[in-house]
Amino acid sequence: KQEVTQIPAALSVPEGENLVLNCSFTDSAIYNLQWFRQDPGKGLTSLLLIQSSQREQTSGRLNASLDKSSGRSTLYIAASQPGDSATYLCAVGDTNKLIFGTGTLLAVQP
Amino acid sequence: SAVISQKPSRDICQRGTSLTIQCQVDSQVTMMFWYRQQPGQSLTLIATANQGSEATYESGFVIDKFPISRPNLTFSTLTVSNMSPEDSSIYLCSADRGASYGYTFGSGTRLTVV
Repeated sequence: KQEVTQIPAALSVPEGENLVLNCSFTDSAIYNLQWFRQDPGKGLTSLLLIQSSQREQTSGRLNASLDKSSGRSTLYIAASQPGDSATYLCAVGDTNKLIFGTGTLLAVQP
Repeated sequence: SAVISQKPSRDICQRGTSLTIQCQVDSQVTMMFWYRQQPGQSLTLIATANQGSEATYESGFVIDKFPISRPNLTFSTLTVSNMSPEDSSIYLCSADRGASYGYTFGSGTRLTVV
């Protein structure tokens, strides 16, 4: 059974710092991996989608990497801003469904 | 990417009643999904809804409690039946937009049962 874990559970950084969020999964037989952002009490916004054959994807200040063999993905956020404060979720694409990680609550202090 | 309109955005309901949540996708999708997010927790899949067939429920979720309809390729509903305070959660619908786009989510329904 696929299990997805995110470390750290919470992170507080000053504005302008670069940071890395980690996601690990137990079964490397995945279709893809998707990073989402969730603001308090809201739905999910897709940030990046990495196919199983890809190593990384970039969008603006965000870069996500995928290492299937080691069961790991990282989300790199450059030059963090207070508006980046949210919960970040990684989700692994399994057969016809997503399996979510536990989330990282990010607070960027002005 | 696709837009999913979900309503209501929030509701406060009496125990023992039922609430139906609606999701409308702006394009046809084969598979839609319903998730529950309990306070302080991550998302748990309730069921997968395909048009023209019964929904497939995950372990721990049953049709009598969470009946789902999928009348066409752009619409689905989830009903939370005979509610108790333990059903207080955020409920989210999602659509699979295919390998190139991944999954898109609605804005969520924040349900409080009193």
